[in-house]
Amino acid sequence: GQQLNQSPQSMFIQEGEDVSMNCTSSSIFNTWLWYKQDPGEGPVLLIALYKAGELTSNGRLTAQFGITRKDSFLNISASIPSDVGIYFCAGQPQGSARQLTFGSGTQLTVLP
Amino acid sequence: DTGVSQNPRHKITKRGQNVTFRCDPISEHNRLYWYRQTLGQGPEFLTYFQNEAQLEKSRLLSDRFSAERPKGSFSTLEIQRTEQGDSAMYLCASSLVGQKNSPLHFGNGTRLTVT
Repeated sequence: GQQLNQSPQSMFIQEGEDVSMNCTSSSIFNTWLWYKQDPGEGPVLLIALYKAGELTSNGRLTAQFGITRKDSFLNISASIPSDVGIYFCAGQPQGSARQLTFGSGTQLTVLP
Repeated sequence: DTGVSQNPRHKITKRGQNVTFRCDPISEHNRLYWYRQTLGQGPEFLTYFQNEAQLEKSRLLSDRFSAERPKGSFSTLEIQRTEQGDSAMYLCASSLVGQKNSPLHFGNGTRLTVT
């Protein structure tokens, strides 16, 4: 089952606004990844984080690997309509070099 | 790099029938994963291969499910005697072991509907 708590579940924002979402875990993760999924498509990798405290940007997206290694956040600045979709965090638990555990997703809606 | 390819994209089957899905990973990737995703949830790990060896299986993978990767390239996932609870999106992903950072790249999935 899921081990990650992702919030919020859904967000409605105006175009141009900034967005923030986060994931927390009760256990330590070695890797945090953020994916975006459009309807009927597979998840697309946005940002990968490999070290505690790491802050990484990809265009208007910024993500951080929490210092405790139990959390991560994703920020989207100046949102645009094509940002609509479901955003998933995914983590690789300590001791598991193989599989990812996913959060339940944040559904983002951008209003014009 | 053509990405991870999955076929078919959609499959509708009657309960009790067998179905088989195919995944072609990114060509140089030696790890291949199968995940299942139900509506409103994130993907859940089913199994993974390194080359042709199946190294881990989730408890979600009942004995009606079998996965193969015979030559270490493409993989198939078969579900026997399908049940309505098997309806889901089945996602394949691949990665490269050996590079320091090799995140999973997903295909567009096969959506299974069991009637």
